[in-house]
Amino acid sequence: ETGVTQTPRHLVMGMTNKKSLKCEQHLGHNAMYWYKQSAKKPLELMFVYNFKEQTENNSVPSRFSPECPNSSHLFLHLHTLQPEDSALYLCASSQKGGGTYTGELFFGEGSRLTVL
Amino acid sequence: RKEVEQDPGPFNVPEGATVAFNCTYSNSASQSFFWYRQDCRKEPKLLMSVYSSGNEDGRFTAQLNRASQYISLLIRDSKLSDSATYLCVVNPADRGSTLGRLYFGRGTQLTVWP
Repeated sequence: ETGVTQTPRHLVMGMTNKKSLKCEQHLGHNAMYWYKQSAKKPLELMFVYNFKEQTENNSVPSRFSPECPNSSHLFLHLHTLQPEDSALYLCASSQKGGGTYTGELFFGEGSRLTVL
Repeated sequence: RKEVEQDPGPFNVPEGATVAFNCTYSNSASQSFFWYRQDCRKEPKLLMSVYSSGNEDGRFTAQLNRASQYISLLIRDSKLSDSATYLCVVNPADRGSTLGRLYFGRGTQLTVWP
């Protein structure tokens, strides 16, 4: 079993649909992230949560709405998306300890989203 | 200018070859540097951190040149299993955050053939 689990693995939705991506980490980490990976582009950070509090929103459009009910679960709610939002959405977690960060993010396998 | 620029590749090398990837970063105040590996249709995973003095992990050697803002990864004696995309990753120091505000390069694709 992987440390970070994402569901669904694949999602196809129309522009008027509402759907959610789910992420769960079993590593006891205190920080969780959403990243977007588009073809031919670098990974883009979307949101950061530290102990359930959102600490970063990287200018993400409001059609993406994150939710972090506890330090083990993270959701990304999707509504009225555009075809250009089609991408691989990666959840990650990390452990922040003693004021330093090791640089190791543990990623889930991703949710591949296609917007028609 | 992009935060992290990588040699795009692709690199196609025979087994046993030595291959080097390069990466440059724009923020001179950046503090920490990493190489991640991403297999086809899989998630990225940390390969190794990059230290100022250079560091080695088996067949992999990472080097950092702060003056030139340049990072490299050398793979010796390439194996078929090394085929993947290698991501150069930088943690900028000026964000004021110690969390995962990492900048990723686009990645360099490596294929090792028998």
